[in-house]
Order: sequence, then C-alpha cells, then structure tokens
Amino acid sequence: RKEVEQDPGPFNVPEGATVAFNCTYSNSASQSFFWYRQDCRKEPKLLMSVYSSGNEDGRFTAQLNRASQYISLLIRDSKLSDSATYLCVVNQENRDDKIIFGKGTRLHILP
Amino acid sequence: NAGVTQTPKFQVLKTGQSMTLQCAQDMNHNSMYWYRQDPGMGLRLIYYSASEGTTDKGEVPNGYNVSRLNKREFSLRLESAAPSQTSVYFCASSEGSSTETQYFGPGTRLLVL
Repeated sequence: RKEVEQDPGPFNVPEGATVAFNCTYSNSASQSFFWYRQDCRKEPKLLMSVYSSGNEDGRFTAQLNRASQYISLLIRDSKLSDSATYLCVVNQENRDDKIIFGKGTRLHILP
Repeated sequence: NAGVTQTPKFQVLKTGQSMTLQCAQDMNHNSMYWYRQDPGMGLRLIYYSASEGTTDKGEVPNGYNVSRLNKREFSLRLESAAPSQTSVYFCASSEGSSTETQYFGPGTRLLVL
C-alpha cells in the first residue's frame, strides 16, 4: 500500500454541486495533515489544515478519521474557480521521508 | 513581502552540466525545503533544512547537494545533470517544523537534454 493515496480523478462536477475527496495514509504515526491546492503550472498553496475534530472554512470542510486512516475534503456550492488539483499532505516526524504529498486529485467545475 | 522567490524560472542544461537553483524567503522562517514534481509522481522531498546550518536528506537526495547559506537562502546544486533530473523544482519554507504550513516558491522548470 502506498503511503498516501488519492483518487487522481478528474472529477467533472457542475457548478453549484457538492464534491468530496478522500485521501488514505498508511502510517498510523502520522501527526499532521493538510490539503493544498495547486493550479495548473503554479505552486501548491495551503487550502486548510486538518484537525482531529474536523474543521470548516466557508464552503470547505476537512475531516480526519484516525481509526480508518483517511482524511477528507468536502466542497459545497462549487465555483468555477475551484477547478484545480487538490493535494493531500501527511507529515510524520523522525523519518527521512517525513513529508509525503499525495499525487493529487484533479477537479474540473463545469459551467 | 515577496514570500519565497526562486531563480531561475526556466533552465535548459546538457547532460553533465552543473547548475545551482537559488531560493530565498523573507518571512524569517526557520525551515526550508526542496522538492521535485514529476508528472504522475506528485511532489517528492529532495532535501530540507530545519534551521540555519543544518541540512537533511529527504526521499530523493541522490544527484543533488544543498547549502543553507543563511536563514534566508537555501540553494540546490546539480553537479552533473542527467535527463532523469528533468522536472519542476519547488522551494518551500515553514516557520517551524515540517508539521506546519509550508509556503512555496513559483518553481523552476528544468530540462536536461
């Protein structure tokens, strides 16, 4: 099993719809979790951190399930500007490969 | 604040040539990182520096060297470029450890012929 796995997509979703992505991780000692957004030919930018209690930022909700070792991202009322690749990031201290990026999930919002 | 800056933006090298990718941050961050991003592979950590004067290997360090020149600057050197090093290289920084938010530079697109 790969350390961090994401469905590569693409997800083609009509504007205004709700879309959800999952990301699974293999190391139960992982300590912190993030969702980054990457636009085409641009650098990744933090979308939100993921906390054990779950967190919400406007139309975006992130959840962490430690028992099943996955994190999720929910986007409500999707906008055309949400079209991007969403990267799951898992950090685990005290390892050479301690920062693991998923390969990303591509999202296309359709007008 | 410029955030994280990288030079050059684009570079074409011939196999065996050397070059240094420059990265600087003006956010007074302690940690800095170099990644490469290849199609279908995602971002992979090459080297990181947890503080001025320290560097550590990441997932794919072979063929690269780094220097943490001071708190602001972290350079990546390819001593003898190979076609397998064709990639997009991103520098990033974080205030503290890697468990904190990372801020990325705009990237350097490198083609090795």
